[in-house]
Amino acid sequence: EAQVTQNPRYLITVTGKKLTVTCSQNMNHEYMSWYRQDPGLGLRQIYYSMNVEVTDKGDVPEGYKVSRKEKRNFPLILESPSPNQTSLYFCASSSGLAIYEQYFGPGTRLTVT
Amino acid sequence: SQQGEEDPQALSIQEGENATMNCSYKTSINNLQWYRQNSGRGLVHLILIRSNEREKHSGRLRVTLDTSKKSSSLLITASRAADTASYFCAPASAGNMLTFGGGTRLMVKP
Repeated sequence: EAQVTQNPRYLITVTGKKLTVTCSQNMNHEYMSWYRQDPGLGLRQIYYSMNVEVTDKGDVPEGYKVSRKEKRNFPLILESPSPNQTSLYFCASSSGLAIYEQYFGPGTRLTVT
Repeated sequence: SQQGEEDPQALSIQEGENATMNCSYKTSINNLQWYRQNSGRGLVHLILIRSNEREKHSGRLRVTLDTSKKSSSLLITASRAADTASYFCAPASAGNMLTFGGGTRLMVKP
């Protein structure tokens, strides 16, 4: 089954404790991205990657890092999480940029206290 | 990249009624995509309409596109309680990132 998986689905952590949210897709997609969704602000793109070792900033990259060492994986790293990073995070993948359908993961709800 | 603006922000209807949501955008596009999001879940692709198409159907969904007005509409016919979700439009241009607006929150009451 074609899918995008994220782990963990829920995470509560404390300020400053480094964490990684994993994302994996099994569709051999070149393009992967991370979004955060906050009430009243919609979905905002954090980072995206057009292929292995190629990443670029989205609209809200501050406080986040990503890596793309393999085509299928695109982890999101919060080196020093802060409460304003409490949000619902989604990973997505597609065959290419905007003109292609995007497949979304189930989401990771992160709370930073 | 550009994002679409959905209207209305929220819509409440009775089961069996039709629901219409609108989307406006600013610059030329290759296609426009509609997505659905159930509460707290990932977005699911519903339908893609190309810039040279005016109307497209998929089951109970009907999408129209008017490139001269830079607008699109999504019609859900004979709505069901299970259609309760947020709906997003995403105008798409080649080489650009897909971005999303705030969506339309649809509530279908049984």
